[in-house]
Amino acid sequence: AQSVTQPDIHITVSEGASLELRCNYSYGATPYLFWYVQSPGQGLQLLLKYFSGDTLVQGIKGFEAEFKRSQSSFNLRKPSVHWSDAAEYFCAVGATTKAAGNKLTFGGGTRVLVKP
Amino acid sequence: SQTIHQWPATLVQPVGSPLSLECTVEGTSNPNLYWYRQAAGRGLQLLFYSVGIGQISSEVPQNLSASRPQDRQFILSSKKLLLSDSGFYLCAWSPQTGVNQPQHFGDGTRLSIL
Repeated sequence: AQSVTQPDIHITVSEGASLELRCNYSYGATPYLFWYVQSPGQGLQLLLKYFSGDTLVQGIKGFEAEFKRSQSSFNLRKPSVHWSDAAEYFCAVGATTKAAGNKLTFGGGTRVLVKP
Repeated sequence: SQTIHQWPATLVQPVGSPLSLECTVEGTSNPNLYWYRQAAGRGLQLLFYSVGIGQISSEVPQNLSASRPQDRQFILSSKKLLLSDSGFYLCAWSPQTGVNQPQHFGDGTRLSIL
């Protein structure tokens, strides 16, 4: 069964500094990976996705993620954080069969706090 | 474009009362539909998913049930709420075509049980 681990529960970063959120997955085949962001009291918004091809994926809001098969990782990065990036971030891996209903397995999330 | 609506946004219910949360999707046909629960400070737990009308798969044993009476309508219900049913409930949809389409989420319902 697939699983996703986000090792950092909380991260505090200063505004303007760079941000990297870690995600490690366990899956037997080529994974389909996603990053979502959740602002307080809101639903989840898709930041970016990786299916195949270029291992560096660009997303919305200036985020990017890099897929590293050898490390089973899909880390999310942003070069310069804005106060509005304070939120919770979820990494997810998708099932590879339509019969599974396109289910996603989510990591536990990383809460990002931005200091002025 | 596709949109997903959940209501109500907030709900306070006494223990033992019934529950009905509704989710509808517009702008697409035959979507996959999902109900998640997010307990305070914890990740997302998939409760139910549906690949078609009347087709419901339950992921965890619990006090809740789901129904899909129409193609783009997904309802989460309970006959008697428990304190442990408190949480943030999220509905999501994904296209049926292709594999590994991303899921798209509603704004959620905050459920408090007193």
